[in-house]
Amino acid sequence: AQKITQTQPGMFVQEKEAVTLDCTYDTSDQSYGLFWYKQPSSGEMIFLIYQGSYDEQNATEGRYSLNFQKARKSANLVISASQLGDSAMYFCAMREGHNQGGKLIFGQGTELSVKP
Amino acid sequence: GAGVSQSPSNKVTEKGKDVELRCDPISGHTALYWYRQSLGQGLEFLIYFQGNSAPDKSGLPSDRFSAERTGGSVSTLTIQRTQQEDSAVYLCASSLGGSSYNEQFFGPGTRLTVL
Repeated sequence: AQKITQTQPGMFVQEKEAVTLDCTYDTSDQSYGLFWYKQPSSGEMIFLIYQGSYDEQNATEGRYSLNFQKARKSANLVISASQLGDSAMYFCAMREGHNQGGKLIFGQGTELSVKP
Repeated sequence: GAGVSQSPSNKVTEKGKDVELRCDPISGHTALYWYRQSLGQGLEFLIYFQGNSAPDKSGLPSDRFSAERTGGSVSTLTIQRTQQEDSAVYLCASSLGGSSYNEQFFGPGTRLTVL
């Protein structure tokens, strides 16, 4: 079974508008971490935001926020005021507490295109 | 400070040859990870190092794949008798530790093409 599901292969958003990228996850661990990474066409993976399973507040980092709904096992990324430079692939990932070393399990990614 | 570096950035090889991919983690990072990114399989975990030991090798796809880390720093991923399905981008990441909250910092990757 897929551990991380990103159901939107591609998304379009108008510059300056907000966009939500969906992510659902599956784990039986009580302790886990959820991450979002951005991968521009240049290929590097850029860390955006982290949410711990025990964190009660939704994580925010500048224009990025994570809408964490634990009961629904969803961890959607919200990008406010989209910019042209936000065009990239976005990956949701999870680290499960029982995994020694905490390897990342990635979703298939969502390609975001920001239109001027 | 310097980020994670990988070399070479591109490698083209012929089927059946051996290749070595190198990763230099961020100084002081004890945890090091190798991942593979391919069109068909997405991003897959290969192996995790804590210091020089590899407690989790569960992602290595076959015994043609091996990795080592020396001095708690540089790591080398070796693929023997390369096959066309090994073509992918190999990404290395490092983090301060192996806890679930430790952010992983990625290198630029090595693009491997097996002809």
